[in-house]
Amino acid sequence: DAGVTQSPTHLIKTRGQQVTLRCSPKSGHDTVSWYQQALGQGPQFIFQYYEEEERQRGNFPDRFSGHQFPNYSSELNVNALLLGDSALYLCASRLTGGADSYEQYFGPGTRLTVT
Amino acid sequence: GNSVTQMEGPVTLSEEAFLTINCTYTATGYPSLFWYVQYPGEGLQLLLKATKADDKGSNKGFEATYRKETTSFHLEKGSVQVSDSAVYFCALTSQGGSEKLVFGKGTKLTVNP
Repeated sequence: DAGVTQSPTHLIKTRGQQVTLRCSPKSGHDTVSWYQQALGQGPQFIFQYYEEEERQRGNFPDRFSGHQFPNYSSELNVNALLLGDSALYLCASRLTGGADSYEQYFGPGTRLTVT
Repeated sequence: GNSVTQMEGPVTLSEEAFLTINCTYTATGYPSLFWYVQYPGEGLQLLLKATKADDKGSNKGFEATYRKETTSFHLEKGSVQVSDSAVYFCALTSQGGSEKLVFGKGTKLTVNP
Protein backbone atom coordinates (compact mmCIF):
# COMPACT_ATOMS: atom_id res chain seq x y z
CA ASP A 1 0.00 0.00 0.00
CA ALA A 2 1.74 3.13 -1.24
CA GLY A 3 1.80 6.07 1.10
CA VAL A 4 1.74 9.70 0.07
CA THR A 5 4.19 10.40 -2.74
CA GLN A 6 5.50 13.74 -3.93
CA SER A 7 7.52 14.87 -6.90
CA PRO A 8 10.04 16.16 -7.51
CA THR A 9 12.21 15.63 -4.45
CA HIS A 10 14.27 18.74 -4.99
CA LEU A 11 13.84 21.76 -7.22
CA ILE A 12 15.87 24.90 -7.87
CA LYS A 13 14.17 27.90 -9.46
CA THR A 14 14.99 31.54 -10.11
CA ARG A 15 13.06 34.50 -8.72
CA GLY A 16 10.05 35.36 -10.85
CA GLN A 17 9.67 31.87 -12.26
CA GLN A 18 6.72 29.55 -11.76
CA VAL A 19 6.78 26.07 -10.22
CA THR A 20 4.42 23.09 -10.05
CA LEU A 21 4.68 20.45 -7.33
CA ARG A 22 2.80 17.18 -7.43
CA CYS A 23 1.26 14.88 -4.84
CA SER A 24 -0.40 11.48 -4.94
CA PRO A 25 -2.43 10.70 -1.82
CA LYS A 26 -2.36 7.49 0.14
CA SER A 27 -4.54 4.82 -1.42
CA GLY A 28 -8.17 5.31 -0.41
CA HIS A 29 -7.75 8.92 0.66
CA ASP A 30 -9.77 11.71 -0.97
CA THR A 31 -8.59 14.90 0.72
CA VAL A 32 -5.25 16.58 0.14
CA SER A 33 -3.67 19.42 2.09
CA TRP A 34 -0.50 21.36 1.35
CA TYR A 35 1.87 22.82 3.93
CA GLN A 36 4.95 25.01 3.69
CA GLN A 37 7.78 24.30 6.13
CA ALA A 38 10.49 26.95 6.28
CA LEU A 39 13.86 25.93 7.68
CA GLY A 40 13.68 25.52 11.45
CA GLN A 41 9.95 26.18 11.57
CA GLY A 42 6.79 24.15 11.86
CA PRO A 43 4.65 23.51 8.78
CA GLN A 44 2.19 26.25 7.79
CA PHE A 45 -1.13 25.33 6.18
CA ILE A 46 -1.53 26.55 2.59
CA PHE A 47 -4.82 25.00 1.46
CA GLN A 48 -6.92 21.85 1.34
CA TYR A 49 -8.65 20.17 -1.59
CA TYR A 50 -11.65 17.87 -1.49
CA GLU A 51 -13.87 16.81 -4.38
CA GLU A 52 -11.65 18.82 -6.72
CA GLU A 53 -12.41 22.08 -4.92
CA GLU A 54 -10.40 24.24 -2.54
CA ARG A 55 -12.19 23.81 0.78
CA GLN A 56 -10.01 25.81 3.12
CA ARG A 57 -7.14 28.21 2.72
CA GLY A 58 -4.42 29.51 5.00
CA ASN A 59 -2.80 32.93 5.01
CA PHE A 60 -0.99 32.65 1.67
CA PRO A 61 -1.17 35.04 -1.29
CA ASP A 62 -2.95 34.27 -4.54
CA ARG A 63 0.41 33.40 -6.10
CA PHE A 64 -0.18 30.02 -4.46
CA SER A 65 -2.81 28.01 -6.26
CA GLY A 66 -3.70 24.38 -6.57
CA HIS A 67 -5.71 21.75 -8.26
CA GLN A 68 -7.12 18.34 -7.47
CA PHE A 69 -7.75 15.77 -10.16
CA PRO A 70 -10.51 13.13 -10.36
CA ASN A 71 -8.04 10.50 -9.11
CA TYR A 72 -7.51 12.68 -5.98
CA SER A 73 -3.92 13.61 -6.86
CA SER A 74 -3.07 17.26 -6.49
CA GLU A 75 -0.79 19.98 -7.74
CA LEU A 76 0.54 23.08 -6.01
CA ASN A 77 1.48 25.99 -8.27
CA VAL A 78 3.47 28.99 -7.17
CA ASN A 79 3.81 31.97 -9.52
CA ALA A 80 6.30 34.86 -9.44
CA LEU A 81 8.62 33.06 -7.05
CA LEU A 82 10.27 35.02 -4.27
CA LEU A 83 13.37 34.12 -2.28
CA GLY A 84 11.09 33.68 0.73
CA ASP A 85 9.26 30.84 -1.01
CA SER A 86 12.28 28.61 -0.43
CA ALA A 87 11.01 25.84 1.84
CA LEU A 88 10.01 22.21 2.16
CA TYR A 89 6.52 21.73 0.72
CA LEU A 90 4.59 18.92 2.35
CA CYS A 91 1.51 17.18 1.07
CA ALA A 92 -0.84 15.39 3.45
CA SER A 93 -3.82 13.21 2.72
CA ARG A 94 -6.75 11.79 4.67
CA LEU A 95 -10.15 10.24 4.13
CA THR A 96 -12.94 12.71 4.86
CA GLY A 97 -15.61 11.12 6.98
CA GLY A 98 -13.55 8.05 7.73
CA ALA A 99 -13.21 6.57 11.20
CA ASP A 100 -9.77 8.14 11.56
CA SER A 101 -10.44 11.26 9.48
CA TYR A 102 -8.38 13.36 11.90
CA GLU A 103 -5.21 11.47 10.94
CA GLN A 104 -3.30 13.06 8.10
CA TYR A 105 -0.55 11.11 6.35
CA PHE A 106 2.36 13.19 5.13
CA GLY A 107 4.61 12.71 2.15
CA PRO A 108 8.39 13.22 2.27
CA GLY A 109 8.10 16.69 0.80
CA THR A 110 9.58 18.69 -2.07
CA ARG A 111 12.53 20.90 -1.22
CA LEU A 112 12.20 24.15 -3.25
CA THR A 113 15.14 26.53 -3.45
CA VAL A 114 14.64 29.93 -5.07
CA THR A 115 17.79 31.78 -6.12
CA GLY B 1 -6.47 32.52 16.22
CA ASN B 2 -5.26 29.09 17.23
CA SER B 3 -1.59 28.71 18.12
CA VAL B 4 0.88 26.24 19.62
CA THR B 5 3.97 27.02 21.66
CA GLN B 6 6.54 24.35 22.38
CA MET B 7 9.83 24.43 24.20
CA GLU B 8 12.86 25.65 22.33
CA GLY B 9 15.43 23.12 21.33
CA PRO B 10 17.67 21.51 20.70
CA VAL B 11 17.43 18.91 23.44
CA THR B 12 20.35 16.51 23.94
CA LEU B 13 19.98 13.46 26.19
CA SER B 14 21.84 10.29 26.96
CA GLU B 15 20.26 6.96 26.16
CA GLU B 16 17.75 5.81 28.82
CA ALA B 17 17.22 9.36 30.11
CA PHE B 18 13.74 10.77 30.81
CA LEU B 19 12.28 13.06 28.17
CA THR B 20 9.83 15.94 28.53
CA ILE B 21 8.97 18.35 25.72
CA ASN B 22 6.57 21.06 26.81
CA CYS B 23 3.67 22.18 24.63
CA THR B 24 0.95 24.72 25.37
CA TYR B 25 -1.81 25.90 23.10
CA THR B 26 -4.29 28.68 22.51
CA ALA B 27 -7.57 27.73 20.90
CA THR B 28 -11.27 28.33 21.11
CA GLY B 29 -13.54 25.47 21.97
CA TYR B 30 -12.16 21.97 22.27
CA PRO B 31 -9.32 21.33 19.84
CA SER B 32 -7.79 17.95 19.08
CA LEU B 33 -4.11 17.71 19.98
CA PHE B 34 -1.30 15.82 18.29
CA TRP B 35 2.39 15.07 18.43
CA TYR B 36 4.13 14.47 15.11
CA VAL B 37 7.70 13.26 14.61
CA GLN B 38 9.97 14.04 11.68
CA TYR B 39 13.00 11.82 11.15
CA PRO B 40 15.84 13.19 9.01
CA GLY B 41 14.90 13.32 5.33
CA GLU B 42 11.38 12.09 5.93
CA GLY B 43 7.88 13.51 6.16
CA LEU B 44 5.89 13.90 9.33
CA GLN B 45 4.50 10.86 11.13
CA LEU B 46 1.69 10.98 13.65
CA LEU B 47 3.11 9.86 17.00
CA LEU B 48 0.05 10.19 19.23
CA LYS B 49 -3.19 12.10 19.63
CA ALA B 50 -5.85 13.17 22.14
CA THR B 51 -9.25 14.44 21.14
CA LYS B 52 -10.79 15.53 24.45
CA ALA B 53 -9.78 16.83 27.85
CA ASP B 54 -7.99 14.35 30.14
CA ASP B 55 -7.38 11.92 27.26
CA LYS B 56 -3.93 10.36 27.30
CA GLY B 57 -2.35 9.57 23.96
CA SER B 58 0.40 6.97 23.88
CA ASN B 59 2.57 5.21 21.32
CA LYS B 60 6.05 3.64 21.23
CA GLY B 61 6.61 4.51 24.91
CA PHE B 62 5.69 8.16 24.42
CA GLU B 63 2.76 9.68 26.32
CA ALA B 64 0.95 13.01 26.47
CA THR B 65 -2.13 14.06 28.44
CA TYR B 66 -4.62 16.68 27.23
CA ARG B 67 -4.86 19.19 30.09
CA LYS B 68 -7.53 21.76 29.39
CA GLU B 69 -7.07 23.60 32.70
CA THR B 70 -3.45 24.37 31.82
CA THR B 71 -3.94 24.27 28.01
CA SER B 72 -1.01 21.86 27.78
CA PHE B 73 -0.07 18.63 26.02
CA HIS B 74 3.45 17.80 27.18
CA LEU B 75 5.27 14.87 25.57
CA GLU B 76 7.06 12.39 27.86
CA LYS B 77 9.05 9.20 27.55
CA GLY B 78 10.59 7.33 30.42
CA SER B 79 13.68 5.99 28.67
CA VAL B 80 14.78 7.40 25.32
CA GLN B 81 16.76 5.50 22.70
CA VAL B 82 19.19 6.68 20.04
CA SER B 83 16.51 5.86 17.46
CA ASP B 84 14.23 8.52 19.02
CA SER B 85 16.50 11.25 17.66
CA ALA B 86 14.22 13.41 15.49
CA VAL B 87 12.26 16.66 15.43
CA TYR B 88 9.02 16.61 17.40
CA PHE B 89 6.07 18.86 16.56
CA CYS B 90 3.07 19.62 18.73
CA ALA B 91 -0.04 20.46 16.71
CA LEU B 92 -3.76 21.05 17.00
CA THR B 93 -6.87 21.14 14.89
CA SER B 94 -9.96 23.08 15.77
CA GLN B 95 -13.03 21.42 17.22
CA GLY B 96 -14.09 18.45 15.15
CA GLY B 97 -10.61 17.44 14.09
CA SER B 98 -11.18 17.90 10.40
CA GLU B 99 -9.69 21.32 10.00
CA LYS B 100 -6.17 22.42 9.21
CA LEU B 101 -3.29 21.46 11.48
CA VAL B 102 -1.61 24.29 13.38
CA PHE B 103 1.95 23.36 14.36
CA GLY B 104 4.47 24.52 16.89
CA LYS B 105 8.00 25.33 15.72
CA GLY B 106 9.35 21.91 16.58
CA THR B 107 11.90 20.60 19.07
CA LYS B 108 14.97 18.76 17.87
CA LEU B 109 15.94 15.82 20.06
CA THR B 110 19.34 14.16 19.91
CA VAL B 111 19.94 11.03 21.96
CA ASN B 112 23.55 9.97 22.46
CA PRO B 113 24.59 6.38 23.23
